[in-house]
Amino acid sequence: NAGVTQTPKFQVLKTGQSMTLQCAQDMNHNSMYWYRQDPGMGLRLIYYSASEGTTDKGEVPNGYNVSRLNKREFSLRLESAAPSQTSVYFCASSEMDGRKTQYFGPGTRLLVL
Amino acid sequence: AQKITQTQPGMFVQEKEAVTLDCTYDTSDQSYGLFWYKQPSSGEMIFLIYQGSYDEQNATEGRYSLNFQKARKSANLVISASQLGDSAMYFCAMRVNLAGGTSYGKLTFGQGTILTVHP
Repeated sequence: NAGVTQTPKFQVLKTGQSMTLQCAQDMNHNSMYWYRQDPGMGLRLIYYSASEGTTDKGEVPNGYNVSRLNKREFSLRLESAAPSQTSVYFCASSEMDGRKTQYFGPGTRLLVL
Repeated sequence: AQKITQTQPGMFVQEKEAVTLDCTYDTSDQSYGLFWYKQPSSGEMIFLIYQGSYDEQNATEGRYSLNFQKARKSANLVISASQLGDSAMYFCAMRVNLAGGTSYGKLTFGQGTILTVHP
């Protein structure tokens, strides 16, 4: 039982390049989320998927797209990376029960030059 | 819109002492949940404790307890008998609940408090 896994762990991009961050969970959770964490700040929600087949914007969606590939996998795509997207990206998953915690992946450190 | 405020950027505590980390929140919703997470220097997010807005008793989990004052909209984390391994960033977060127990799926985080435990 690996929980939430993310790939890659670390990535360096040049401005304008694209990349996809991968996330998978093996807890049979319906809901999945992408957050970013900037220095000195809490996590901010980028996109989430309440259940398979649905996605919704969070607080900071600009510059990102997501795909809920199946119940297990939720990917985040940067089409044209910008230095402002330098951050640590966390994927999380949870049951739909509001009392249940979200389980977080280990994070992906992204540096955009 | 929901907002979480953690007013203590950094806190220091002596080993074996108790420490309180402050969290205030703002929401117009009646049904919501409050979470505390620990983020050590390794970066992972570790769930500590949960308090529901309708829970009558303050939540406790081992050395962690939540001092929930609904009227004041505060949900302070109390760590008893601090250990060196408690040194980390601590985040308070809130999720608003829809009817039926499901959630909007949005956790709103505070800016965090860095706790340093001295030997």
